[in-house]
Amino acid sequence: EDQVTQSPEALRLQEGESSSLNCSYTVSGLRGLFWYRQDPGKGPEFLFTLYSAGEEKEKERLKATLTKKESFLHITAPKPEDSATYLCAVQAGMGGGFKTIFGAGTRLFVKA
Amino acid sequence: ETGVTQTPRHLVMGMTNKKSLKCEQHLGHNAMYWYKQSAKKPLELMFVYSLEERVENNSVPSRFSPECPNSSHLFLHLHTLQPEDSALYLCASSQELAGVPSQPSYQETQYFGPGTRLLVL
Repeated sequence: EDQVTQSPEALRLQEGESSSLNCSYTVSGLRGLFWYRQDPGKGPEFLFTLYSAGEEKEKERLKATLTKKESFLHITAPKPEDSATYLCAVQAGMGGGFKTIFGAGTRLFVKA
Repeated sequence: ETGVTQTPRHLVMGMTNKKSLKCEQHLGHNAMYWYKQSAKKPLELMFVYSLEERVENNSVPSRFSPECPNSSHLFLHLHTLQPEDSALYLCASSQELAGVPSQPSYQETQYFGPGTRLLVL
């Protein structure tokens, strides 16, 4: 069964305390893995797309990496404004069909 | 501002009402999506449209009826909903529909609207 699992469910950090969020997946025919940020009461905001194992993407304090089983979102020296829920989604499928599966998200709290 | 707008932003309806949610994208994208986000549950994909044709229906109850009159607009018609249908309904669009043979690119990335918060009494 295709599955996307994010851990931890919630993460509390002090400002400047670097850490990583995990997204592990079990799917057939990975097409891409997406990271989104979602603030309360708003729709998800796209961060990164990763397509193959070994790929890395960076944006400000965020860096996403991908292996054949999981992806990590590294947050370096976080600030309070980085507090949000981070969602991982996997697009999978072969031929003409596809599906997108979202993880439950990791709620990040960064304290000043 | 992602270029995807949704109206209304908030909606309260009774179980016997009929209402519609509207989504409009200003990005020139060809694919549009409806998602349901319930408290403490992952996002659930409901409907997918590509070039105004429905391409995926993930076992959604018939009380939800989508309509895509053109590539810029997407509607979700609601009737005889249940309290458990209360959720945040999100619309998204992407340049291309995943599954179309193409080079890997950002064209499959989905851009979300702000959502409609629905409460069914």
